[in-house]
Amino acid sequence: DTGVSQNPRHKITKRGQNVTFRCDPISEHNRLYWYRQTLGQGPEFLTYFQNEAQLEKSRLLSDRFSAERPKGSFSTLEIQRTEQGDSAMYLCASSTYRRASGGTDTQYFGPGTRLTVL
Amino acid sequence: AQKITQTQPGMFVQEKEAVTLDCTYDTSDPSYGLFWYKQPSSGEMIFLIYQGSYDQQNATEGRYSLNFQKARKSANLVISASQLGDSAMYFCAIFTGTASKLTFGTGTRLQVTL
Repeated sequence: DTGVSQNPRHKITKRGQNVTFRCDPISEHNRLYWYRQTLGQGPEFLTYFQNEAQLEKSRLLSDRFSAERPKGSFSTLEIQRTEQGDSAMYLCASSTYRRASGGTDTQYFGPGTRLTVL
Repeated sequence: AQKITQTQPGMFVQEKEAVTLDCTYDTSDPSYGLFWYKQPSSGEMIFLIYQGSYDQQNATEGRYSLNFQKARKSANLVISASQLGDSAMYFCAIFTGTASKLTFGTGTRLQVTL
């Protein structure tokens, strides 16, 4: 399977604990995105990388959140001191960004990591 | 800022019938892309179809077609010959070069009945 993979698929944690999620993008893709989706809503952008550079972070990404893509391949998203409001589905997507095609970007999503904070 | 509006929280369609899911968008960027994704109960977002703002013809992908009306800022998804497996949430999204991210609507839940 050459799609986007995410681990773990489910995570249950207690308030105040740290959690880390991993995303492995499609191998030739240069962009990697993180989104968060709460019940009844569409996904909301958190951050994205082009190769290893983190180019944008949403205001949703508080100081407790950090994301890395150290070698331009897989990425990790860490949440420190989790709160009940962090409970959501965390989605990773990857794409091959081509400026020449009008700067648009078809993103392919992984299965997501569902986080429950008790 | 970009915005997507999906006004149909839920839709029902009979198997083998066609259905149209509505999407309107707002952006000041002249270059943008419009996307539709399907999200089954398993949670994965599945890419269905894309329309670029400069594309002259409406996009089609198998049973999916996008009714793009630029002047009205609408990008409705048409699913022909509905199947039971089409039952899912459907999200419309917009991408612009200046925003460099997808902005999603709130989705439409489609239920296909026998």
